[in-house]
Amino acid sequence: AQKVTQAQTEISVVEKEDVTLDCVYETRDTTYYLFWYKQPPSGELVFLIRRNSFDEQNEISGRYSWNFQKSTSSFNFTITASQVVDSAVYFCALLDYTDKLIFGTGTRLQVFP
Amino acid sequence: ETGVTQTPRHLVMGMTNKKSLKCEQHLGHNAMYWYKQSAKKPLELMFVYNFKEQTENNSVPSRFSPECPNSSHLFLHLHTLQPEDSALYLCASSQGLREIGYTFGSGTRLTVV
Repeated sequence: AQKVTQAQTEISVVEKEDVTLDCVYETRDTTYYLFWYKQPPSGELVFLIRRNSFDEQNEISGRYSWNFQKSTSSFNFTITASQVVDSAVYFCALLDYTDKLIFGTGTRLQVFP
Repeated sequence: ETGVTQTPRHLVMGMTNKKSLKCEQHLGHNAMYWYKQSAKKPLELMFVYNFKEQTENNSVPSRFSPECPNSSHLFLHLHTLQPEDSALYLCASSQGLREIGYTFGSGTRLTVV
C-alpha cells in the first residue's frame, strides 16, 4: 500500500534555528515521485520540490534543502536559519503508479521571533 | 494567484441547504481533483476528472456530487451535509504527467451548522 508518514505533528523553533521535517514513505512501485508542499494560513498548497525515485541527489534551494534516501524510504526537508515567514504546515506527498497524490498528515512549523 | 481559483473562500451552510463549490483553472491542464482536508487527517482525495470524465470516486457519500462541464471548470454540489463534513475543500489540476505534480487552489472553508 502507498503511505506517507510525517511523525512530527508540530514543531516550534526560534528564528535563525535550523529545523528538519521528517517524511517516510511506503510504495511497491519502483518509479515514483516525491513532493513537498507548503500550506500557509491562506490555505493554498504551494509546491516546493519534486524528486523522482531515480534521482537520489540531495537538493539545495536557498535556505531549503532535501535529503532523499531510498535505503530508508525517507525524504526529509531542512530549513536553515528559519524565519517567521516559514511558519506554515508542510506536507510530504507521494505519486506512484496509481497516479494519485498521497499526502502525509502534515507538520505544523511555528517559527517565533 | 496560483492559477487555480476556488470560490467561495468561506461557506457556512445548514444541513438542509444546497450549495455548490466552484473551481476554475486556465493552465491548460486536463485533469482536475477535489480533496478534503479535515483537522489532523491526511488530505483525502475525493474525485478525479480526466478530460471531463470522472475516473475516480473515492467512496464519497452521495451528498457530494461533482460536475465537470469542461476541462477548465469543476464543481462540487453539496446537499444535506453533516457537521462532520466541515473541512477545507481543495481543488487541484494537473497535466496528467506524473513528474509535474499538481497545482492547488486556495480552498473553500466549509462549515456545516
